[in-house]
Amino acid sequence: KQEVTQIPAALSVPEGENLVLNCSFTDSAIYNLQWFRQDPGKGLTSLLLIQSSQREQTSGRLNASLDKSSGRSTLYIAASQPGDSATYLCAVGVGDSWGKLQFGAGTQVVVTP
Amino acid sequence: DAGVIQSPRHEVTEMGQEVTLRCKPISGHNSLFWYRQTMMRGLELLIYFNNNVPIDDSGMPEDRFSAKMPNASFSTLKIQPSEPRDSAVYFCAISRGRTNEKLFFGSGTQLSVL
Repeated sequence: KQEVTQIPAALSVPEGENLVLNCSFTDSAIYNLQWFRQDPGKGLTSLLLIQSSQREQTSGRLNASLDKSSGRSTLYIAASQPGDSATYLCAVGVGDSWGKLQFGAGTQVVVTP
Repeated sequence: DAGVIQSPRHEVTEMGQEVTLRCKPISGHNSLFWYRQTMMRGLELLIYFNNNVPIDDSGMPEDRFSAKMPNASFSTLKIQPSEPRDSAVYFCAISRGRTNEKLFFGSGTQLSVL
């Protein structure tokens, strides 16, 4: 069974510092990997989706890499801002449908002014 | 952009009562997913539909749970009878159903079973 792990569970950084969030998965047979953001009391917002054949995706200050062979993905957020404070979840597409996602437990990020 | 409206936002009920959660996709989807989030187990997929047809319900925890999608604009998740361990946030998510499409989540229903 696919297991997705996110380390650290929580992270606090001063504004302006770069954020590095890690995600690891046990089975390399994935359709894709998505990074989501969740604000308290809200739903999830998809930030980046990396297809299994891709190595990275970028959107603005966000960059996500994927190394299937080692079962790892990293989300980089450049020049963090207080508005980046949220929980970030990693999810891999598994099984017989790309839409079935196995989620990690998330990393709770606090960016202090 | 696709959007999802879930209702109610909060539901408090007593053990043994029937609970119905609703999901209304705004537009532009072929697939609909029901997820549950708890502190202990994180996010879990309960069931998903493609073109209104249930494809995989292996995540539905017990026979007390059932889901329907009578048309492309509406889906329900029903728990009967409810138990305290069903307390969680239930999310509905949609996608266009094509490979490697992002999922769009609703704001969720916070369910508390007393």
